[in-house]
Amino acid sequence: AQTVTQSQPEMSVQEAETVTLSCTYDTSESNYYLFWYKQPPSRQMILVIRQEAYKQQNATENRFSVNFQKAAKSFSLKISDSQLGDTAMYFCAFMKHGFSNTGNQFYFGTGTSLTVIP
Amino acid sequence: DAGVTQSPTHLIKTRGQQVTLRCSPISGHKSVSWYQQVLGQGPQFIFQYYEKEERGRGNFPDRFSARQFPNYSSELNVNALLLGDSALYLCASSPIPPSYEQYFGPGTRLTVT
Repeated sequence: AQTVTQSQPEMSVQEAETVTLSCTYDTSESNYYLFWYKQPPSRQMILVIRQEAYKQQNATENRFSVNFQKAAKSFSLKISDSQLGDTAMYFCAFMKHGFSNTGNQFYFGTGTSLTVIP
Repeated sequence: DAGVTQSPTHLIKTRGQQVTLRCSPISGHKSVSWYQQVLGQGPQFIFQYYEKEERGRGNFPDRFSARQFPNYSSELNVNALLLGDSALYLCASSPIPPSYEQYFGPGTRLTVT
């Protein structure tokens, strides 16, 4: 079974500063995907960044970057130059590569509520 | 292009009643997945459907059922509602699975009283 753990229920950061959200996961799979999703208050979940496990290079998307440590099963998200619009719940998620008999599903962590302070 | 749409937006039901939630995937997407997100928790996988067939089921009781129609839209049904079924129900669509591309709808907020 796959599990995803986010140990920081709440975090805050000053506008324009940098913040790092932590995520660890447990799996016996060797090929998989990892994601960070953002869920603003009362709005739908949107993809922030994706990492393929077979790629050693850390993914980046503008102000968002990840630190992927496969051996440690760690996948942290760094947000640089934080903006007020970054205030949201952030979920770390895992997906196995390929089909499985339990579906092509996400396994989500419990989320980190991030508040950007003006 | 329209994203994933879900209806209704909000719903209030009484314990023991039945509810049907609807989802329309992104045009061209053939797979729909359903997730339950209880307040303060991450989404939990309920079902995945592809080509009108169930391709995966999470750890939910038989009170939960779903189906997919020829136009790839989907319905989630929950019978004999319990207070614990109160949650945000999310639909996600993806192209032909397996695919890491899953796009979420805005969800249906179900409150059971």
